[in-house]
Amino acid sequence: GAGVSQSPRYKVTKRGQDVALRCDPISGHVSLYWYRQALGQGPEFLTYFNYEAQQDKSGLPNDRFSAERPEGSISTLTIQRTEQRDSAMYRCASSLAEGRGELFFGEGSRLTVL
Amino acid sequence: DQQVKQNSPSLSVQEGRISILNCDYTNSMFDYFLWYKKYPAEGPTFLISISSIKDKNEDGRFTVFLNKSAKHLSLHIVPSQPGDSAVYFCAASARTSGTYKYIFGTGTRLKVLA
Repeated sequence: GAGVSQSPRYKVTKRGQDVALRCDPISGHVSLYWYRQALGQGPEFLTYFNYEAQQDKSGLPNDRFSAERPEGSISTLTIQRTEQRDSAMYRCASSLAEGRGELFFGEGSRLTVL
Repeated sequence: DQQVKQNSPSLSVQEGRISILNCDYTNSMFDYFLWYKKYPAEGPTFLISISSIKDKNEDGRFTVFLNKSAKHLSLHIVPSQPGDSAVYFCAASARTSGTYKYIFGTGTRLKVLA
């Protein structure tokens, strides 16, 4: 596609449920990043991949959060046993190559945990 | 621990004048810096970057200055236009440490008055 596509755009779930957020990066982009953004804050790093390899997952807040990119293209961020504090905008970004600072962000998936 | 700080949450500037957005960082390992711009309901978009081997980088109306000894960078927009009204984020990475994660500041909301 022309840009980074994220789905769903909006997700409302009940506390304790699992959610999966999907990111489809720009075709040919090697690196894929996941960020979380609370209202009035900057994007908070979660994890990133080069191709299918997860290079850095130091930003994942706890073991309820995981991400995968099995074929080096589409990625899924999974949050298990969601809690209210997980409510945020989850943003995916891709870049042409590792080290290229120009990240192309998607429009985000807004997660609300009731 | 906020490694990248934007201490001014908002800034108002008259059209045609200079806008100066500031960013401070604490991690001396940061060696690559970027500025992003974000309009409401959209993802951040890349503006300009600078490597630590430089102290200035210019792209049209946008210039970024880096003062390594002060751990400070700034974005100058000259002349400012109403369409520049947005939230601006600075971001940094420590590429020589082997990871290409980008740490974002909390953002500064710029309003350019016509």
